[in-house]
Parts: sequence; C-alpha cells; structure tokens
Amino acid sequence: DTEVTQTPKHLVMGMTNKKSLKCEQHMGHRAMYWYKQKAKKPPELMFVYSYEKLSINESVPSRFSPECPNSSLLNLHLHALQPEDSALYLCASSQEGIRTDTQYFGPGTRLTVL
Amino acid sequence: RKEVEQDPGPFNVPEGATVAFNCTYSNSASQSFFWYRQDCRKEPKLLMSVYSSGNEDGRFTAQLNRASQYISLLIRDSKLSDSATYLCVVNPSNYGGSQGNLIFGKGTKLSVKP
Repeated sequence: DTEVTQTPKHLVMGMTNKKSLKCEQHMGHRAMYWYKQKAKKPPELMFVYSYEKLSINESVPSRFSPECPNSSLLNLHLHALQPEDSALYLCASSQEGIRTDTQYFGPGTRLTVL
Repeated sequence: RKEVEQDPGPFNVPEGATVAFNCTYSNSASQSFFWYRQDCRKEPKLLMSVYSSGNEDGRFTAQLNRASQYISLLIRDSKLSDSATYLCVVNPSNYGGSQGNLIFGKGTKLSVKP
C-alpha cells in the first residue's frame, strides 16, 4: 500500500481565515514533505520533516506553518494567506528521507484564497 | 543553466508510436533520478527510478548518462492512456547527511491521439 491521503480535497478561504491542511500515511515512512504546485508548473518544495523534526524550510513565508504531530501525520497551518498562495498543495512521504528515497505523493489539496 | 531541463512539448503522437523524452541536469553530484507522470489536476505518480545501467518496465525504458548529465525515457507502442505530463526529477544532494530534496523539471506534455 503506497497511499498518502490528504484532506480536504478542496479549500476556499478568505485572507483573514485560519485553516489547516492534513496529510496522513501508514507506510511507516519517516520523512514527509509539503510541496506547492501552481498551474502548468512543477511542484516546489516547501518543507521536509525527517523523523518528526523539521529538516528543510525552503524560505517559506511564516503565514505557512508546518506541524508533524507524529510519524504518520503532517499538517500545514494557514493564516493570513494572499490570493497568490492559491495552488495545489501536495504532501509526499518517503522511507527515510535520504537521497535515494522514492517519494510518494498524496492527491493534493486545491486551495483558493479569495 | 537550470537545475533540471526538459523539452516542454507538447508531443502529439498517434497511438502505437514510439516517443522519447530527454532531460538534462546541472549538478554533477546528483545521486538519484526518477520519472514521474502527472495527469491533469492530479498528483505526480512515480513511473520509474532511473539507474546507470538503464532499466525497462514493459513499454517504458529509462536511461541515465552521468558523463553527459542526461536522462531519457522511451515509451514504445504508446497508448491513449499514456497522455500526461512526464516530469524528470533529480535529487541533487551532494553533501553528507540524509536529505530528500527533489528538483523537478517543468515537465513534458504528451498527447497520444487515436
């Protein structure tokens, strides 16, 4: 089973709202990732968690706040977003987070900021 | 030079055609290489990892040339269901420690017509 699940599938929020995106995997993977993908562009890495510790933050604005409550769950808390933050947010996981790992992606949350 | 470069296409081919995608990468210390496919409004799905010895999976063959920093994907006897965007993906990590940072090419769009 190589399934990564994400909720919600779609999210519309105003610029003053606070919302959270959720990601879950039960493959025993110890690395989890958040990516942002705009239309007709490749995914861009935002954050990497390795063994529940934040190991990469690709200079993401503080209005995006990741959280890894346990090895199976990854959240992305959103606050005071801008319309340009509208995108597909993809979660991925891999076994160890090492260079040769294969990453498996969830279906994504399509976010619209009004 | 961009980190991972691909011909954006689109490649419009008839069913049964053979089609080849090429990709170059800039970091000579890159460790691992993948082809993902992404259908419209869906998440990237791993198609195959790419090894120096070359690897084949059914109608799909991937090759890596480290000296030229070049990766290829060949699809034989293309099917309508092969229509998608094909993403060349490289893990460029060249330092010790465990990091799973993937760099995506912009993708090559393939459209297989009846």
